[in-house]
Amino acid sequence: GAGVSQSPSNKVTEKGKDVELRCDPISGHTALYWYRQSLGQGLEFLIYFQGNSAPDKSGLPSDRFSAERTGGSVSTLTIQRTQQEDSAVYLCASKPRGRSSGNTIYFGEGSWLTVV
Amino acid sequence: DQQVKQNSPSLSVQEGRISILNCDYTNSMFDYFLWYKKYPAEGPTFLISISSIKDKNEDGRFTVFLNKSAKHLSLHIVPSQPGDSAVYFCAASERSNDYKLSFGAGTTVTVRA
Repeated sequence: GAGVSQSPSNKVTEKGKDVELRCDPISGHTALYWYRQSLGQGLEFLIYFQGNSAPDKSGLPSDRFSAERTGGSVSTLTIQRTQQEDSAVYLCASKPRGRSSGNTIYFGEGSWLTVV
Repeated sequence: DQQVKQNSPSLSVQEGRISILNCDYTNSMFDYFLWYKKYPAEGPTFLISISSIKDKNEDGRFTVFLNKSAKHLSLHIVPSQPGDSAVYFCAASERSNDYKLSFGAGTTVTVRA
């Protein structure tokens, strides 16, 4: 498809296990974001990638969270030793280079993570 | 530290009437504002935006108003339709960090037939 693709769409994991969430951005989009939405909360910024620049990791809530983007395209968000408070929808988004599109970012459908 | 606040978690409106969603922000450096709409089990989709050089932007049934002195913006939907039932997120960014959008907690709109 032409949109942002995320997998898995749903993941139930046991507390203490590691999980990986994958994002395939829109083709040609140089910027990639990870946000998360916990129950009853707004969208929380996690990390931002732009081309070959150093990512902005300022939103990652702890060192159990990490993300990488290989080849300037696909990104993987890894959560180690998951905790129940990690349960949330993890949303990936992408944006083309430049401000011509304003600051519109295009979201995927999200990966619903439940830690039991 | 919530820089974008949507103080009304929900709104119920009759079909055909106006829906008014409010958003307040604390960061005076914000210069670009957006509204996103989200249906259940889907990602948010862009709805409408406004730059700080304007105080109004209209797109069909949707109008966004910006009051910079009050650090307040609102989204008007006229007339409201059942398909407008969704969660609406307000978002903002500043020129120095124009890639980073700060989102509010969202307002759930229910349009009653």
